[in-house]
Amino acid sequence: GQQVMQIPQYQHVQEGEDFTTYCNSSTTLSNIQWYKQRPGGHPVFLIQLVKSGEVKKQKRLTFQFGEAKKNSSLHITATQTTDVGTYFCAGPPSSNDYKLSFGAGTTVTVRA
Amino acid sequence: KAGVTQTPRYLIKTRGQQVTLSCSPISGHRSVSWYQQTPGQGLQFLFEYFSETQRNKGNFPGRFSGRQFSNSRSEMNVSTLELGDSALYLCASRDRSSNTGELFFGEGSRLTVL
Repeated sequence: GQQVMQIPQYQHVQEGEDFTTYCNSSTTLSNIQWYKQRPGGHPVFLIQLVKSGEVKKQKRLTFQFGEAKKNSSLHITATQTTDVGTYFCAGPPSSNDYKLSFGAGTTVTVRA
Repeated sequence: KAGVTQTPRYLIKTRGQQVTLSCSPISGHRSVSWYQQTPGQGLQFLFEYFSETQRNKGNFPGRFSGRQFSNSRSEMNVSTLELGDSALYLCASRDRSSNTGELFFGEGSRLTVL
């Protein structure tokens, strides 16, 4: 079955630094979604990428969907304490099959 | 609009018991999905319901079941509880007619099995 893997599992970042988390799927995805879960909270949708090679920005967050639609990345610049949480990528194998597979997430902690 | 509502928020059961969790989706959302979240395992897909029919199912044993009512509210049931069923159970709704597949999650039901 479809597997979605994320690396790294944990990311300890100095406030102000940049970092990138990566997402890889064993199968082609119709789209890739990213969610953020704050400690003690529930996942909240951040963005969806649909097109091969697509890049989208949200303030300090840059999301990219790979050319083969099997991988994605999230890059955060000038990390702030508000960035603390777990970032999940997720994707369905097709637009008709919405069995959304989530990666295990990257848990981000920030050193002030 | 009110968000996704899950009840109960916390519950403690013992091995062998059964449990029923409830989820009320965002008004107008007819698709409801359930996920199990455990530390280090991410979110594991349980099933999705749309128009009272199960549309997708994850790789969980038959002890896990669900249903959806005509008002789109959904319940999931776990029978013969095992220690490993301790987890946060998340319900998510979405608007299938939307261009995005955005899932709206509830706060979850945290189940502890003793």
